Amino acid sequence: SQQGEEDPQALSIQEGENATMNCSYKTSINNLQWYRQNSGRGLVHLILIRSNEREKHSGRLRVTLDTSKKSSSLLITASRAADTASYFCATDAYGSSNTGKLIFGQGTTLQVKP
Amino acid sequence: NAGVTQTPKFQVLKTGQSMTLQCAQDMNHNSMYWYRQDPGMGLRLIYYSASEGTTDKGEVPNGYNVSRLNKREFSLRLESAAPSQTSVYFCASTRTGLYEQYFGPGTRLTVT
Repeated sequence: SQQGEEDPQALSIQEGENATMNCSYKTSINNLQWYRQNSGRGLVHLILIRSNEREKHSGRLRVTLDTSKKSSSLLITASRAADTASYFCATDAYGSSNTGKLIFGQGTTLQVKP
Repeated sequence: NAGVTQTPKFQVLKTGQSMTLQCAQDMNHNSMYWYRQDPGMGLRLIYYSASEGTTDKGEVPNGYNVSRLNKREFSLRLESAAPSQTSVYFCASTRTGLYEQYFGPGTRLTVT
């Protein structure tokens, strides 16, 4: 079963606006990651946040993690048409760090209109 | 570096046929994974290999077998394809302690 549930399932915004997508998960985790998937391509890692971190930045990306609510959010600021893609959160279940197994959410499809 | 490569890119099978999906990585990663992605869904883990010589079932292993041929290569075999196995298959790899996974471009499989 899917660990993560993402919200919203689809998001359409204008270029220059900010995009926020949310992820909820069920079990204790070591880390939470966000990946991007362009249409017809493989996933690309964006950012990782550890369970003892609350916020992390990378360029135009800002990720927050609330372990008490078992939720994370990904904010993309000043969006560009090139940000059009699907975004997935992925968690590694606590205790699975030696296998590297990840559980993926269902994803948020982001469309950025020029 | 080519990263993670997968062959073939596309495949059409008839029900009952068999085939092997190939995956190779040149990053000296010790862990490799096979996922399937169905429309509107995230990735589901089929099988994984935490290290050379070991393989384990993931969330949806039924109908599949795997072989970790060596550190670089991890193949996925469908012995008797079924329409329910129509999907996009992704291979990924990582190094212990690295956490982030590197993905191949995928194989789009249709079973009729």
